[in-house]
Amino acid sequence: DIQMTQSPSTLSASVGDRVTITCRASQSISSWLAWYQQKPGKAPKLLIYKASSLESGVPSRFSGSGSGTEFTLTISSLQPDDFATYYCQQYNSFSSITFGRGTRLEIK
Amino acid sequence: EVQLVETGGGLIQPGGSLRLSCAASGFTVSSYYMNWVRQAPGKGLEWVSVIYSGGSTYYADSVEGRFTISRDNSKNTLYLQMNSLRAEDTAVYYCARTRPGSSFDYWGQGTLVTVSS
Repeated sequence: DIQMTQSPSTLSASVGDRVTITCRASQSISSWLAWYQQKPGKAPKLLIYKASSLESGVPSRFSGSGSGTEFTLTISSLQPDDFATYYCQQYNSFSSITFGRGTRLEIK
Repeated sequence: EVQLVETGGGLIQPGGSLRLSCAASGFTVSSYYMNWVRQAPGKGLEWVSVIYSGGSTYYADSVEGRFTISRDNSKNTLYLQMNSLRAEDTAVYYCARTRPGSSFDYWGQGTLVTVSS
């Protein structure tokens, strides 16, 4: 199975900050990577797919980059609604999907 | 409007069985890859199983041989039959749709399964 290593596990930031979350795959997954946002008690929400494609309706302050084994999610200017937990997900094969362990983004 | 609604969760003793349902509306379940994903209390997301549009099924190692994914095309509903349940299966279970060329674009609200004596 492909392992996803996500960092940091917790990130403290302020409104207006630029933040970056990193995800590393244990082997190449090309661009088959997605990013999700999850708020307490809610289902995850798709933000980015295919490493850098912005899901419809997601604000443009969210962006994704990378390919192969190294990926990043960047929020260009944090808004109050962005404080949540973020997960990366590899889908190199839909028969064996794995998620990163999550990054909790909290208010400094 | 696409909607997924899970039902069937509850409290079950170790070794017991439970069947979860995921009723879909706004699209045809059999035309998409459909997944189950779970989240233990306070923990991260764990993919559980997928059923392809063609009917092939796949499972995470942690549930292989105990869980079975299926669908009823006439009811446009996805199922997860869970047998030989263990305490470590305690989680919120979500169903999620895979959009072609993308990943999980729609999720249900989740249903809580608690395995405890």
